[in-house]
Amino acid sequence: QQQVKQSPQSLIVQKGGISIINCAYENTAFDYFPWYQQFPGKGPALLIAIRPDVSEKKEGRFTISFNKSAKQFSLHIMDSQPGDSATYFCAAFGGNTPLVFGKGTRLSVIA
Amino acid sequence: DAGVTQSPTHLIKTRGQQVTLRCSPKSGHDTVSWYQQALGQGPQFIFQYYEEEERQRGNFPDRFSGHQFPNYSSELNVNALLLGDSALYLCASSLAGLGEQYFGPGTRLTVT
Repeated sequence: QQQVKQSPQSLIVQKGGISIINCAYENTAFDYFPWYQQFPGKGPALLIAIRPDVSEKKEGRFTISFNKSAKQFSLHIMDSQPGDSATYFCAAFGGNTPLVFGKGTRLSVIA
Repeated sequence: DAGVTQSPTHLIKTRGQQVTLRCSPKSGHDTVSWYQQALGQGPQFIFQYYEEEERQRGNFPDRFSGHQFPNYSSELNVNALLLGDSALYLCASSLAGLGEQYFGPGTRLTVT
């Protein structure tokens, strides 16, 4: 049973557009929700993270929206650039559960 | 400030052999977690070490074992390698096992 469900599997966005990736979870003990960016052949890099006590967190062009009642959270990338082309993973952590990852979204930003 | 480092970068082993992978955590971090990432998949948690003890373990067989040293560095050992063990092995460090984990570049293991 997958603890974090991520969609879409792949995403193509025009340069300057908004990229949106969604995740859902079931375990209400989760209390930390990070997003990671991974380029081919590299390790995942922590991009931005949120805790359930806030509904939104913004860092530069990256925003996490969090809906505790729906047990969903999403990553928005504003003004998407070709350099943002990578695989993005949502994850969740908390309770006695270690960091668990979604299956990833492969983002391609085209000019 | 050095981030998480891993060695070697790449490794090719034969089925049935044993392998040891190494990880040095980010400066100031005391907890090391290991993950296996198959091609096209998200990282899967193997185990976590804190204060030189295995604190948590994922759904991996006993062929996977580890160690943490007093300087917080860590090793991952895999015995009796199977073709299915081919993957990118990632080490992540954190402070006191918190969720904010920083990953190394990984070791690409190929089993032939």
